[in-house]
Amino acid sequence: QKEVEQDPGPLSVPEGAIVSLNCTYSNSAFQYFMWYRQYSRKGPELLMYTYSSGNKEDGRFTAQVDKSSKYISLFIRDSQPSDSATYLCASGRGATNKLIFGTGTLLAVQP
Amino acid sequence: GAGVSQSPSNKVTEKGKDVELRCDPISGHTALYWYRQSLGQGLEFLIYFQGNSAPDKSGLPSDRFSAERTGGSVSTLTIQRTQQEDSAVYLCASSGDRQETQYFGPGTRLLVL
Repeated sequence: QKEVEQDPGPLSVPEGAIVSLNCTYSNSAFQYFMWYRQYSRKGPELLMYTYSSGNKEDGRFTAQVDKSSKYISLFIRDSQPSDSATYLCASGRGATNKLIFGTGTLLAVQP
Repeated sequence: GAGVSQSPSNKVTEKGKDVELRCDPISGHTALYWYRQSLGQGLEFLIYFQGNSAPDKSGLPSDRFSAERTGGSVSTLTIQRTQQEDSAVYLCASSGDRQETQYFGPGTRLLVL
């Protein structure tokens, strides 16, 4: 079992829809949780990160962590065609600083 | 300021040849990471440098892989006697005071024929 599991999709939604992207993790020692966005043939771009259970909002993006169920989510409101990309969740802990990534979910927002 | 840069952006090589991939981290970042991204596999940690400490090499898949970081800045990842399964995108990241927030370069796409 991978330490971070992510549904690879692809996920296709119409413009304006609310998108929900999800990951699960198995290592209780993970302390921080990240979401990266990766456009085709580009490096991953850090979107959001959080250290605790609960919600963190940044514009149209909300990151949610539930440590009791080891569940990580990213919500995108009013999705735009420019949001079309692969979204990667990642987790890590302070002792090593190396991030463990999910395989990524490919999102397509149709105009 | 400038982000993480990597060179070359693409590399095609023949099986058995050695390759060197270069990473220039963000100025002032003390931590540097190498990851590998294969199709359908996500990002796989390879190696981590932090200041003058001994690197964490726990992710290197074989002894054909090595990396060094000179002067606490530029890093080179070397793959000796390349194999077809080494074909992947090799990504470099760096981080500053908040070491968990890693900033990635555009990657080097390696194709071993």
